[in-house]
Amino acid sequence: EDQVTQSPEALRLQEGESSSLNCSYTVSGLRGLFWYRQDPGKGPEFLFTLYSAGEEKEKERLKATLTKKESFLHITAPKPEDSATYLCAGESGGSNYKLTFGKGTLLTVNP
Amino acid sequence: EAQVTQNPRYLITVTGKKLTVTCSQNMNHEYMSWYRQDPGLGLRQIYYSMNVEVTDKGDVPEGYKVSRKEKRNFPLILESPSPNQTSLYFCASSPSLGDRYSYEQYFGPGTRLTVT
Repeated sequence: EDQVTQSPEALRLQEGESSSLNCSYTVSGLRGLFWYRQDPGKGPEFLFTLYSAGEEKEKERLKATLTKKESFLHITAPKPEDSATYLCAGESGGSNYKLTFGKGTLLTVNP
Repeated sequence: EAQVTQNPRYLITVTGKKLTVTCSQNMNHEYMSWYRQDPGLGLRQIYYSMNVEVTDKGDVPEGYKVSRKEKRNFPLILESPSPNQTSLYFCASSPSLGDRYSYEQYFGPGTRLTVT
C-alpha cells in the first residue's frame, strides 16, 4: 500500500525564519511527487512536480527537492502570506494512476 | 476562465436520501478524480477517471458511484448517504496521462456535505 507521511504536522515561524517541511514516501513505481498549497476552505493549489531523485524546483521563496525516499519543501525568508497547509502527494506508476496524499503540514508565519 | 466547478458548494441532507454532486471542467482535461478530506485523515481518493467511460476505484470507494459519459463532467453519486460520509469533497482534473510524466491536478472549490 502506498504511503506518504509529512512532518511536522504544524510549524510556526517568525517572518524571515527559514525552515523545511519533510515528505517521506513509499509509492509503487513513483511516477511523480507533487507539492500543493491549501488555504482554509479552498481546494489545493499546485506548486511543484518532481520526477527523479536529485531534481530541484524553485518558485519565489519555495524550493522543492527529491531523494529516493523523501522530498523537502524549503521555505526561505517566509512571509505571513506563506501561511497555509502544504500537501505532498505521490502518484503511483504503471497502469495505476492513483494519487496518495500526506496529511499536510500547517505552516503559520507570524509577522 | 479555466476552472473546475462543483455544485452544490454546501449540502445538508438526511441518511438514505440519494444525492449527486456535480463536477465540471472547461479545460478539455482527460483525467478527473474525486477526493474527500477529513480532519486527521487528509485527502483520500474516492474514484478517478482516465478518460470517457473509463473509471477506477481509489482508496475509499465504498458508498460512492461515479460516471464519465462526457469528457467535461464527472458526477459523484451517493445512493444512500450515511453520517460517515459527512466530509469536504473535492473534484480535480488533469490535462492527460503520460506514460512517464505526471501532470498537476486542478482542484475545484469543494463541496461541504453533512449527512444527519
